[in-house]
Amino acid sequence: DAGITQSPRHKVTETGTPVTLRCHQTENHRYMYWYRQDPGHGLRLIHYSYGVKDTDKGEVSDGYSVSRSKTEDFLLTLESATSSQTSVYFCAISSRGYYEQYFGPGTRLTVT
Amino acid sequence: AQSVTQLDSQVPVFEEAPVELRCNYSSSVSVYLFWYVQYPNQGLQLLLKYLSGSTLVKGINGFEAEFNKSQTSFHLRKPSVHISDTAEYFCAVTPQGNEKLTFGTGTRLTIIP
Repeated sequence: DAGITQSPRHKVTETGTPVTLRCHQTENHRYMYWYRQDPGHGLRLIHYSYGVKDTDKGEVSDGYSVSRSKTEDFLLTLESATSSQTSVYFCAISSRGYYEQYFGPGTRLTVT
Repeated sequence: AQSVTQLDSQVPVFEEAPVELRCNYSSSVSVYLFWYVQYPNQGLQLLLKYLSGSTLVKGINGFEAEFNKSQTSFHLRKPSVHISDTAEYFCAVTPQGNEKLTFGTGTRLTIIP
């Protein structure tokens, strides 16, 4: 298995509170991604990173921000969580030119 | 932009029977194609990929897929399924040279003993 961990694995939070999810890799891969998975929608890209301090938006980026200050860590922040952000969040990594992505175990976030 | 359609949201199949999970894509440029599997309460694992070469691609766990450019399809097949194949299967596409994947909505495969 690719060395990807996500923390926390489960979180329950209240509407309006900030939340940060962490993705950590030990593979030194250049690309990192954040997805959310919802029934009937498959996986949708939130943000991705193509290097340290280099990030870009995906198709569902509203309400989310990211940061990558080190190769191994990619943080996803919900500045003010809403119930519509209740979801399972997956981090993935890939290397340039290989295209296949390796996924972490996921974080189940519930916003009440 | 590209898109992926997995028409079957659920597919029930008897154990040891063959199965085909359908995937169609739309893109104005050449693409790379992938199938991923997600077992319950786990992340996604790569089953197989098509980048170039032979249009028949073999993957892990006895699965294979065939790229059909004229029909813009990349259907996944297995000749004989097992209980352990119970999972959700996702088709994904990316334009050649692009690192971002677009996923379909998934097909839940249920194996009936």
